[in-house]
Amino acid sequence: GAVVSQHPSRVICKSGTSVKIECRSLDFQATTMFWYRQFPKQSLMLMATSNEGSKATYEQGVEKDKFLINHASLTLSTLTVTSAHPEDSSFYICSASGGQRTYEQYFGPGTRLTVT
Amino acid sequence: QKEVEQDPGPLSVPEGAIVSLNCTYSNSAFQYFMWYRQYSRKGPELLMYTYSSGNKEDGRFTAQVDKSSKYISLFIRDSQPSDSATYLCAMSATGTASKLTFGTGTRLQVTL
Repeated sequence: GAVVSQHPSRVICKSGTSVKIECRSLDFQATTMFWYRQFPKQSLMLMATSNEGSKATYEQGVEKDKFLINHASLTLSTLTVTSAHPEDSSFYICSASGGQRTYEQYFGPGTRLTVT
Repeated sequence: QKEVEQDPGPLSVPEGAIVSLNCTYSNSAFQYFMWYRQYSRKGPELLMYTYSSGNKEDGRFTAQVDKSSKYISLFIRDSQPSDSATYLCAMSATGTASKLTFGTGTRLQVTL
């Protein structure tokens, strides 16, 4: 199956700082990447959809100036949480689809963000 | 009301039991119905998907969709300890590689 990686797997940062999370498709070209957030005992919630070379489309209620998404290549998308606050602490998961993998989203292992 | 409702469990069954996992939903636009399995500290992995109503079988797994009742199920036969994981239902109006709406996931524990 297709492999999607995320880095880092876990990050702790101080309130007010920014943190970047990387999502890579390792063996296919991902024309579309999705970013999800999951709070404890809650559903994965879609934050934004990004297509390579285009601006991301954000879901209602997600601040685009706070959660910066860049999808500059067919194998890499980044999510930057700017001026992080404790309420941003969550599990962030990306998924990717594209190329010969058009009919399924392949998920990364997730990044646990803790803001102190 | 959430668009997708799923009992979070945990659900504990003995090895060999038949497991029934369910989700209900409210959005009649959903056409694609998926079940994902998620092991601890891993991303979700697609198990099965069904388009519109009906049944689909794959080995020990059977997925059922009843659009008239807005109810979907996943059955696992001859459950194994390796099936212990969180099972998430997900739905989409436009496709499996499009925006997905997830349930909260049901944590399953299969005991020896």
